[in-house]
Amino acid sequence: AQSVTQPDIHITVSEGASLELRCNYSYGATPYLFWYVQSPGQGLQLLLKYFSGDTLVQGIKGFEAEFKRSQSSFNLRKPSVHWSDAAEYFCAVGDNDMRFGAGTRLTVKP
Amino acid sequence: EADIYQTPRYLVIGTGKKITLECSQTMGHDKMYWYQQDPGMELHLIHYSYGVNSTEKGDLSSESTVSRIRTEHFPLTLESARPSHTSQYLCASSVGYGQPQHFGDGTRLSIL
Repeated sequence: AQSVTQPDIHITVSEGASLELRCNYSYGATPYLFWYVQSPGQGLQLLLKYFSGDTLVQGIKGFEAEFKRSQSSFNLRKPSVHWSDAAEYFCAVGDNDMRFGAGTRLTVKP
Repeated sequence: EADIYQTPRYLVIGTGKKITLECSQTMGHDKMYWYQQDPGMELHLIHYSYGVNSTEKGDLSSESTVSRIRTEHFPLTLESARPSHTSQYLCASSVGYGQPQHFGDGTRLSIL
């Protein structure tokens, strides 16, 4: 069965610092992987996706993620965080149906 | 801009009422989904549809029902609301296998 684990419930970083949000998945085949962001009072917005090919994928808002099959991971990164990046981030895996992690809440300190 | 619309955005209502949460999308997507979202929890799939006249229950046991009479419309109905139904409900759609889902802004439901 497919599943997603986001080990960090809450992360705080200073504005301008780098960011890495962790995601581990369990899936029986080559996974379709996604990162979404959710701001308060809104739905989920797609940041990036991985289907195949280059294991480093670029997304919107300066985010990138790296697929590591050997570690069953798909961590999200950003070199320099902006205050507007404060939000909830969800990792997801799936094909016909999608499994979401429980989310990581990002707080950005001035 | 939003291509998938949910109404109402917020609803506070008494126990025992019948509620319908609306979801419409303008993208022509065949697949549509309803999720329940609670703080600190993963999204739980409660219903999905692969097209007109197709509806299936998801992983999370739910006392709600859905219908899919038109491609663009996927309403969710609670026949008799209870306090345990208090949650945020998210609607999503997808163009097909392995493709990302597009989400509405959600309906926050509070049952008194």
